[in-house]
Amino acid sequence: AQSVSQHNHHVILSEAASLELGCNYSYGGTVNLFWYVQYPGQHLQLLLKYFSGDPLVKGIKGFEAEFIKSKFSFNLRKPSVQWSDTAEYFCAVSNAGNMLTFGGGTRLMVKP
Amino acid sequence: DTAVSQTPKYLVTQMGNDKSIKCEQNLGHDTMYWYKQDSKKFLKIMFSYNNKELIINETVPNRFSPKSPDKAHLNLHINSLELGDSAVYFCASSQDTWLAGTVWFGPGTRLTVL
Repeated sequence: AQSVSQHNHHVILSEAASLELGCNYSYGGTVNLFWYVQYPGQHLQLLLKYFSGDPLVKGIKGFEAEFIKSKFSFNLRKPSVQWSDTAEYFCAVSNAGNMLTFGGGTRLMVKP
Repeated sequence: DTAVSQTPKYLVTQMGNDKSIKCEQNLGHDTMYWYKQDSKKFLKIMFSYNNKELIINETVPNRFSPKSPDKAHLNLHINSLELGDSAVYFCASSQDTWLAGTVWFGPGTRLTVL
């Protein structure tokens, strides 16, 4: 069975600081990788996804993520965070079996 | 236009009651899902339906029964509610079973069992 680990449960940053959220997964086969964001009181929205090709993917709102196959990682990055980035971030992995498995989430708080 | 909608948004009920949550998607997707998000924000898939047929049925109590009258609707019925059922339930949909497309989530239904 596949699993997803997000090691940072809570992250607090000041505005303009750089962000990197870790995501590691365990699955030996071909996977699709996702980052979702959940703003306070809202539903999950897709930030970015990786299926194949360039391992560095760019998403909305200045976010990007890099797939490193040898490390089974798909870390999320943003060079300069804003207060409006305060949210819960979820890494997710799917395989061809139609199962989207989420990590435990990372709560990001950006101080103005 | 709302892509994936759920009703109700909030549901407060007593233990032992039976309740239903409705979900509809207007995206023309073939696959719909129910996810449960617990108090620690952990998201876990419960069910997946493709063209009205059950594809995934994770280990959930059989008090939970999904019903798909057509491929645009996937309702969740819960019998004999327990305190541990309190959570936010998200409906979602995707174009196909390969998840090659994006999964769209509904706004969630916050269920509180007293």
